[in-house]
Amino acid sequence: EVQVVESGGGLVKPGGSLRLSCAASGFTFSTYTMNWVRQAPGKGLEWVSSISSSSGYIYYTDSVKGRFTISRDNAKNSLFLHMNSLRAEDTAVYYCARGQLRLDYWGQGTLVTVSS
Amino acid sequence: QSALTQPASVSGSPGQSITISCTGTSSDVGGYNYVSWYQQHPGKAPKLIISEVVNRPSGVSNRFSGSKSGNTASLIISGLQAEDEADYYCGSYTSSSTLVFGGGTKLTVL
Repeated sequence: EVQVVESGGGLVKPGGSLRLSCAASGFTFSTYTMNWVRQAPGKGLEWVSSISSSSGYIYYTDSVKGRFTISRDNAKNSLFLHMNSLRAEDTAVYYCARGQLRLDYWGQGTLVTVSS
Repeated sequence: QSALTQPASVSGSPGQSITISCTGTSSDVGGYNYVSWYQQHPGKAPKLIISEVVNRPSGVSNRFSGSKSGNTASLIISGLQAEDEADYYCGSYTSSSTLVFGGGTKLTVL
């Protein structure tokens, strides 16, 4: 069974940092593009970043460029999102999702709250 | 990276059919047959229900179907059921090799 499980969310002050993790199982992780998608409270989905299977292609939405870094460890079937210079508007549930052209498996999400 | 445009809400009675539209540009919806639709119930993760405009993943009811004309894609739900009440999001691959979502549509089953 395909599973992706996020962790690492929490409360952080504006300007702070956080690292999210996503543990994948049930599929050959090293052959899939992976993504982070976020959803602010009561709002819609926003694609944040993607990383290709071998980390050769990495993309970000404009609002996080220079602040967030996506990475992966194929040996450990893990995806990461390093978030720096966090702002109140980064408050959201962050989902890990599999796929390049369609997101076919999603985790349950981890909540990041940026507040003083 | 502007969001795709969806109606904020739609409604229908059980047994009826409804359509949710998703309008983008030639750089996303109109330029590729890589439009997907996602269903999200309150407090749950999104679930893929349509991919590549018209394809239904295994296990998704055949009451869900998709289409596209120009820069606008559509999700059609036939034989509306109470369990279909949820938020629906379209998504598209873009010319920048990124993904973009619509703002979401809340479906109410009357």
